[in-house]
Amino acid sequence: QVQLQQSGPGLVKASGTLSLTCAVSGGSISSSNWWSWVRHSPGKGLEWIGEVYHSGGTNYNPSLKSRVTISIDKSKSQISLKLTSITAADTAIYYCARGDYSDNYWGFDYWGQGTLVTVSS
Amino acid sequence: EIVLTQSPGTLSLSPGERATLSCRANKTVLYHHLAWYQQKPGQAPRLLISGASRRATGIPDRFSGSGSGTDFTLTISRLEPEDFAVYYCQQYGSLLPWTFGQGTKVEIK
Repeated sequence: QVQLQQSGPGLVKASGTLSLTCAVSGGSISSSNWWSWVRHSPGKGLEWIGEVYHSGGTNYNPSLKSRVTISIDKSKSQISLKLTSITAADTAIYYCARGDYSDNYWGFDYWGQGTLVTVSS
Repeated sequence: EIVLTQSPGTLSLSPGERATLSCRANKTVLYHHLAWYQQKPGQAPRLLISGASRRATGIPDRFSGSGSGTDFTLTISRLEPEDFAVYYCQQYGSLLPWTFGQGTKVEIK
């Protein structure tokens, strides 16, 4: 059973950098899956932030691309999210998730527990 | 970007009733790229359906998905007490960025 365990601070100062990690267990981070970050806020609902593959390849949401870096550390079996120049609009619950497309059926089949990130002034 | 519009915003039903949730896209979504999720308060979303109609592991058969192109439907044949939650559709694989609908809340009448 794949498990995703998130960690990182729940309070970030405005104009600072949000940093979260997601540790993968019960499965290989080098499998044929993309690993995504998604956030959920009252104003925007569920918003896909971006994804990383075990090769290090990435895709980002254009709305956040200039501020986002998603990386993978295979030796630690974890993925990371960095979001710079934080504002109140970035207050949200952040999730990591595994993208699955086996048999050509696509969906996010495993999710982290979520981290509430609040931006303070 | 593919915009997904879910309707209705809220569905008020009683246990045992049938729920029909709609997800419409502003561009064609390949059927195997449409997923449905259930989310309860304080929990992460849970994958219910992928490929528009394939139930994820462990999902009861009262949940079914259908549709193609720009119109997709999630049906819950007989609502159980644990089914009252918010449901989201997602397009994943058709066009970056991957997007979600705004959600349909199924509440107890």
